[in-house]
Amino acid sequence: EAAVTQSPRNKVTVTGGNVTLSCRQTNSHNYMYWYRQDTGHGLRLIHYSYGAGNLQIGDVPDGYKATRTTQEDFFLLLELASPSQTSLYFCASGTTNSDYTFGSGTRLLVI
Amino acid sequence: QQKVQQSPESLIVPEGGMASLNCTFSDRNSQYFWWYRQHSGEGPKALMSIFSNGDKKEGRFTAHLNKASLHVSLHIKDSQPSDSALYFCADLSNYNVLYFGSGTKLTVEP
Repeated sequence: EAAVTQSPRNKVTVTGGNVTLSCRQTNSHNYMYWYRQDTGHGLRLIHYSYGAGNLQIGDVPDGYKATRTTQEDFFLLLELASPSQTSLYFCASGTTNSDYTFGSGTRLLVI
Repeated sequence: QQKVQQSPESLIVPEGGMASLNCTFSDRNSQYFWWYRQHSGEGPKALMSIFSNGDKKEGRFTAHLNKASLHVSLHIKDSQPSDSALYFCADLSNYNVLYFGSGTKLTVEP
């Protein structure tokens, strides 16, 4: 079954720490996305990609880097984590004009 | 800048009742709109899409689109407790990016 798998499911880090969130899709989709979800803000787009090696900037990119190493794998990097980055992070994949398939999310706490 | 404004923030309806959720979008060039549903502890899942003016019905769910007034809505008929969830509308951009509203928390009371 086609899926989007995120890891880890939960992560706690200290302010200034490095964090890498991983996402793998088995849908053969070209597009992959990273969103953060916060109460009152819905889902906000951080970065997205059209394919391996491609990276596009979303609406809230500050403090985040991303890398699409293969068609299947998309990583989100927080190099100097701050408490404002405490959030629920979702990865998704999709094709042109189709619905997205979302992962189950990574809950990140920066203390 | 929120491209999609969603209301209400929360909604409580009795079991068997009608739930109505609303969104206003800002881009007159938008063509595709989606409704997503998210149950607690899960990722959002697509409910339905609409791209033509008028109504689109799928079972108990009806989406309505009015491009002239920049408005899209979702109506859930005969609401069930299992419909309790967070609902998002989303606007698909030219770059295949979905811009989501802030969400409506629906509670269906038995």
